[in-house]
Amino acid sequence: KAGVTQTPRYLIKTRGQQVTLSCSPISGHRSVSWYQQTPGQGLQFLFEYFSETQRNKGNFPGRFSGRQFSNSRSEMNVSTLELGDSALYLCASSLEGGRQETQYFGPGTRLLVL
Amino acid sequence: QKEVEQDPGPLSVPEGAIVSLNCTYSNSAFQYFMWYRQYSRKGPELLMYTYSSGNKEDGRFTAQVDKSSKYISLFIRDSQPSDSATYLCAMKDADSWGKLQFGAGTQVVVTP
Repeated sequence: KAGVTQTPRYLIKTRGQQVTLSCSPISGHRSVSWYQQTPGQGLQFLFEYFSETQRNKGNFPGRFSGRQFSNSRSEMNVSTLELGDSALYLCASSLEGGRQETQYFGPGTRLLVL
Repeated sequence: QKEVEQDPGPLSVPEGAIVSLNCTYSNSAFQYFMWYRQYSRKGPELLMYTYSSGNKEDGRFTAQVDKSSKYISLFIRDSQPSDSATYLCAMKDADSWGKLQFGAGTQVVVTP
């Protein structure tokens, strides 16, 4: 079974621009979670989607948004990019995001904001 | 204070030694515990998952959970240079959809 895929793998943007990242979960998985990983803050939860609905959200500003499509693929968008948004953005999928389920991560999208 | 504390290392051990990693947590709502391994420039890979106090073994890996002390551990026996990576502990409470709380990660270096 194919794993979680993320596109693009690398991205360079300038301050003020916006960016859209894409995540395709493992086949059959309907829950997709997004995380930001930086050297200073580590892995931080952004939000989780299930059945095209955001069920959970972390403590990030409204510039960070996401959505999920009917085939469970998910996108996240960051508007008005800041230098501090430079990070590895990871998505993870699970069957339904339930309490006992584990999450499987994709390779990440490395975003550099200049 | 962070909800999950993990020493970032680096932790350097000779090949064949036992690697001992641990995390402490403050949120008693955490019920599910995972260990992930992350190689440089890669996504985290699930190693171990447990939800009860006690030990769980899988090959060279043993995960230990002590809920009364809010302390989890991961042991790697017969360490190999290929085990050199960052090891992340992660935790989840029963009511938070799709959210894992991670430790800072411990960088492990196994020297030949």
